[in-house]
Amino acid sequence: NAGVTQTPKFQVLKTGQSMTLQCAQDMNHEYMSWYRQDPGMGLRLIHYSVGAGITDQGEVPNGYNVSRSTTEDFPLRLLSAAPSQTSVYFCASSFDRGVPGNTIYFGEGSWLTVV
Amino acid sequence: AQKITQTQPGMFVQEKEAVTLDCTYDTSDPSYGLFWYKQPSSGEMIFLIYQGSYDQQNATEGRYSLNFQKARKSANLVISASQLGDSAMYFCAMRDYGGSQGNLIFGKGTKLSVKP
Repeated sequence: NAGVTQTPKFQVLKTGQSMTLQCAQDMNHEYMSWYRQDPGMGLRLIHYSVGAGITDQGEVPNGYNVSRSTTEDFPLRLLSAAPSQTSVYFCASSFDRGVPGNTIYFGEGSWLTVV
Repeated sequence: AQKITQTQPGMFVQEKEAVTLDCTYDTSDPSYGLFWYKQPSSGEMIFLIYQGSYDQQNATEGRYSLNFQKARKSANLVISASQLGDSAMYFCAMRDYGGSQGNLIFGKGTKLSVKP
């Protein structure tokens, strides 16, 4: 099993450019989410999805867009990149958000720099 | 609202000694889970240990144990016999199961440095 796959691992963007971070899981997980990690801030939730066609905002959604057209994929779109979006991005998934103890799987992270 | 607090930005421990990393949490949901993750310098998130709010005993996984004090809303991670490879960032996280969105909420982390 591939688990949770994030691409790209590293990316440099110019201010104003747009891009999509890809996240795919092959475990038939209902729940998927995106986090950003900044120094001293821990991981903060950007957007999440509880199933295909259902998405919602997390703590820091501004400047990001998501969609969930299939169970497997949950791409994160930066609409117009800003230096403040320089961060490490993690995708995570689990089978069911409401079952105690369900394992949460993380992707390896995507390092994004906006210049 | 859910909240996770880790009050130790950085800690040092001597190799082979035990260390406790603090974590307090706040939630109004009676059903929740507490997680600890390790993040080495390579960046990946490594799951260490899980404690459910209804679990009667403190969780243990090898050298890791979770000191769960429900009334005090604390879930401290204890690492016994520290090794150089334990040097990393450690994150405490919580997930509510009772009816909220079920999102995993993180603390700001503790950077542990193990001295030889």
